[in-house]
Amino acid sequence: QKEVEQNSGPLSVPEGAIASLNCTYSDRGSQSFFWYRQYSGKSPELIMSIYSNGDKEDGRFTAQLNKASQYVSLLIRDSQPSDSATYLCAVFEGSNYKLTFGKGTLLTVNP
Amino acid sequence: DTAVSQTPKYLVTQMGNDKSIKCEQNLGHDTMYWYKQDSKKFLKIMFSYNNKELIINETVPNRFSPKSPDKAHLNLHINSLELGDSAVYFCASSQDSGLAEETQYFGPGTRLLVL
Repeated sequence: QKEVEQNSGPLSVPEGAIASLNCTYSDRGSQSFFWYRQYSGKSPELIMSIYSNGDKEDGRFTAQLNKASQYVSLLIRDSQPSDSATYLCAVFEGSNYKLTFGKGTLLTVNP
Repeated sequence: DTAVSQTPKYLVTQMGNDKSIKCEQNLGHDTMYWYKQDSKKFLKIMFSYNNKELIINETVPNRFSPKSPDKAHLNLHINSLELGDSAVYFCASSQDSGLAEETQYFGPGTRLLVL
């Protein structure tokens, strides 16, 4: 059973701080990794994707991938109350064309 | 000009009924998906179609039957609804199914409540 694990939280950070979200996956053959943000009552929306080891930065967001440790993370710098949402880690398994989601981490940014 | 749309947005029905949810995408994508998100927010793939052909069929009860009349539409029919079917059902689409870089775009969801 291929799994994607996330700490369900809630993770609470003060406004302006760095929020760190973590995800581990079980399938070593996984090819690509995504972070989706889901506001309460809304649909998931893609915020970051990463395919190779290292860091990838986009504005206040940085995704980090370590395939040897089967670990992917998302850092949110200068956290804003509008970042409060559930963050879903998703892993693409090329062998079966499937995107497997973790259970999500609820992030709360306190003003 | 919604990219992925679903109808209805809300569906409240009795146990044992049969219902359908419709999905349409205007992105010109080849692949469409159905996901179920339960009360604990766990999002799980149910089905995927690529160019009207079924490519992912997860272990779901055969009361659930997807149908793709063309590559822009993927409908989900559910027979003999049960209490445990209550969830949010999301449709999604992507340009292709086999490429690792493909982004999936989600519809707004259909909130199904079975009484």
